[in-house]
Amino acid sequence: EAGVTQFPSHSVIEKGQTVTLRCDPISGHDNLYWYRRVMGKEIKFLLHFVKESKQDESGMPNNRFLAERTGGTYSTLKVQPAELEDSGVYFCASSQPDEKLFFGSGTQLSVL
Amino acid sequence: AQSVTQLGSHVSVSEGALVLLRCNYSSSVPPYLFWYVQYPNQGLQLLLKYTSAATLVKGINGFEAEFKKSETSFHLTKPSAHMSDAAEYFCAVRRSNDYKLSFGAGTTVTVRA
Repeated sequence: EAGVTQFPSHSVIEKGQTVTLRCDPISGHDNLYWYRRVMGKEIKFLLHFVKESKQDESGMPNNRFLAERTGGTYSTLKVQPAELEDSGVYFCASSQPDEKLFFGSGTQLSVL
Repeated sequence: AQSVTQLGSHVSVSEGALVLLRCNYSSSVPPYLFWYVQYPNQGLQLLLKYTSAATLVKGINGFEAEFKKSETSFHLTKPSAHMSDAAEYFCAVRRSNDYKLSFGAGTTVTVRA
């Protein structure tokens, strides 16, 4: 069974550009989460989808970040325009209700 | 509000020695507690979790952790380190009625031959 897949694994962009990160959860997992780790700091919650609905987006830093989950399958996280402080590793995770989270290997985003 | 403190960002142990990673939490309600491990170029993997059952929790790869409410701690141990244990370890907490995890800053373990 395929795990949680994230694409790209690395992205290097310039300040002001747009970047879109993608996450493909494990098939059948209704819950999808985005987390972010800024270098040297804690992994922080960004948001939580249940199917295609945003259940909790309290962790989204600001309105430059937009997450979508088309048809309750894969999810995208767009940063527009990117700023230097957006650099970090973005993790996606998925789960069944009340079951453990499966994490992807993350997207390393570098904003120069 | 919940938070997690991991004492020590780096731990170096000899192969065969005890691994002890410290985690203290603060939570306004009885928490669920977790330890995750991240091997290089991989996602976070659940090692073990505490959800208000037995206070001594056994996980994968020979790791275990003990929940001590009086000390608000959930330290992770392994009696004998193996080279394959070299990784970054994260302690995390969440409320029983919430899905959000709050993570510690992580502890990188290196194992010396």
